[in-house]
Amino acid sequence: DVKVTQSSRYLVKRTGEKVFLECVQDMDHENMFWYRQDPGLGLRLIYFSYDVKMKEKGDIPEGYSVSREKKERFSLILESASTNQTSMYLCASTSAEGIHEQYFGPGTRLTVT
Amino acid sequence: GENVEQHPSTLSVQEGDSAVIKCTYSDSASNYFPWYKQELGKRPQLIIDIRSNVGEKKDQRIAVTLNKTAKHFSLHITETQPEDSAVYFCAAGVGYSSASKIIFGSGTRLSIRP
Repeated sequence: DVKVTQSSRYLVKRTGEKVFLECVQDMDHENMFWYRQDPGLGLRLIYFSYDVKMKEKGDIPEGYSVSREKKERFSLILESASTNQTSMYLCASTSAEGIHEQYFGPGTRLTVT
Repeated sequence: GENVEQHPSTLSVQEGDSAVIKCTYSDSASNYFPWYKQELGKRPQLIIDIRSNVGEKKDQRIAVTLNKTAKHFSLHITETQPEDSAVYFCAAGVGYSSASKIIFGSGTRLSIRP
């Protein structure tokens, strides 16, 4: 059974702080994704990675960076958090063979004050 | 770039009735169309998917139809039950490389009235 975990369920940070969101998957998946979820906007892709140390920008990468030093771990970094980054952040993973189901983590509700 | 539009944004149906959610996509190269269900406070989970070589797929009370010419696809839930209440997301993707990604619609909040 695929398991995707995220480091925190809830996080409160101040404007200007550097924020790290961590995601770990245990299925040896090559592809990992970071989305943010906002009401009425669905799931918007921030960044994705298809291999260790490889990354690709998604639709809304501004204000974010990512790191993938190990296959199982994909980190989302907010260099200087702003109030408009208050959101639910979801991580997902999938294997590299073709395109199919993405397995999601439980999400991190980030509030920036 | 690729865009996926989903309608309606909210849907309320009587228990036992059918519910239909519709999506359109812009990239004609899209060949994979999944549907995810997200219950309150939980993570999205795949409930059904369809590939472009198939026009319709059923799984018990859930069915998805695809019209590639018109670039739209729909989710049909029959005999709705209270546990069908959730947010549903459609998505479209192109599966030709290991770096494939999918684009999600904006979601439909489905409520089942008892």
